[in-house]
Amino acid sequence: SYEVTQPPSVSVSPGQTASITCSGDKLGDKFASWYQQKPGQSPVLVIYQDTKRPSGIPERFSGSNSGNTATLTIRGTQAMDEADYYCQARDSNIGGVFGGGTKLTVL
Amino acid sequence: QLQLQESGPGLVKPSETLSLTCTVSGGSISTTNYYWAWIRQPPGKGLEWIGSIYYSGTTYYKSSLTSRVTIYLDASKNQFSLKLSSVTAADTAVYYCVRHKSSASGPFYKRAPYSWFDPWGQGTLVSVSS
Repeated sequence: SYEVTQPPSVSVSPGQTASITCSGDKLGDKFASWYQQKPGQSPVLVIYQDTKRPSGIPERFSGSNSGNTATLTIRGTQAMDEADYYCQARDSNIGGVFGGGTKLTVL
Repeated sequence: QLQLQESGPGLVKPSETLSLTCTVSGGSISTTNYYWAWIRQPPGKGLEWIGSIYYSGTTYYKSSLTSRVTIYLDASKNQFSLKLSSVTAADTAVYYCVRHKSSASGPFYKRAPYSWFDPWGQGTLVSVSS
C-alpha cells in the first residue's frame, strides 16, 4: 500500500519561514492536501489539490508538490501556527493515506 | 455553515460493536458533490481514514478494516453512521465524521485523482475496555 512520510518535528523562529515536507513515491503525480491540528482540536484543512487554500486560511500558508515531495510552507510564521500538520494523498482508495504528522514548534 | 456532530457511547467492551452517528446541519447529505467519511485518531497518534459513503449509499472502506466496518446513511434524518465490530483496545481513538471531496480525475492541468476532508466534526473519544 502507498505510504507518505513526514519529519516528526520542525522548529522555526517567529517571523521566519517554516517548511514541512511529505515524501512518497512519485507523490508529485498525485494530489496532496494538508491539515493543521492544534491541541485538543479537530484538524482543519489548510491546503488542497497541492496549492489551493480554502477560504479563511491566511495567505502565509502555501503548498507545492513535485517529484517525490510535497511541501507546506508557512511564511512569517506566528505563534498561533504552532500545531501538528498532516499531509494526505489519494492512492487507490478514495480516502487516501495520511502522513504520520509533523509537530511545528515556533520558538 | 456546514456542521457535523458525532454521537454515541464513549465506552465499548472488547469484542462488541462500536456504533456512532454523525448529524449534519447546514447542508444536505443527499448532495452529489461530496462523500461523507469517518476518520479516527488513536490517542497521541496520527489520522486514519476508515471509510466513506456517497449519497447513493455506495461505500468505500479502508482495506484492512473492510471485514469489520459498515457505514450507512439516513437521508431523512440527515445522518450517517459507523459500525465497527469485534473491537479491541487498538480501536480506542477519537472518531471524527467529516465531509469528503474526492474524484478520480483532477483539473485539466493535472489529471490525477484527488481527495480532501473538510469540515470536520469535533470528534468523540471511544474507549474499548472491559
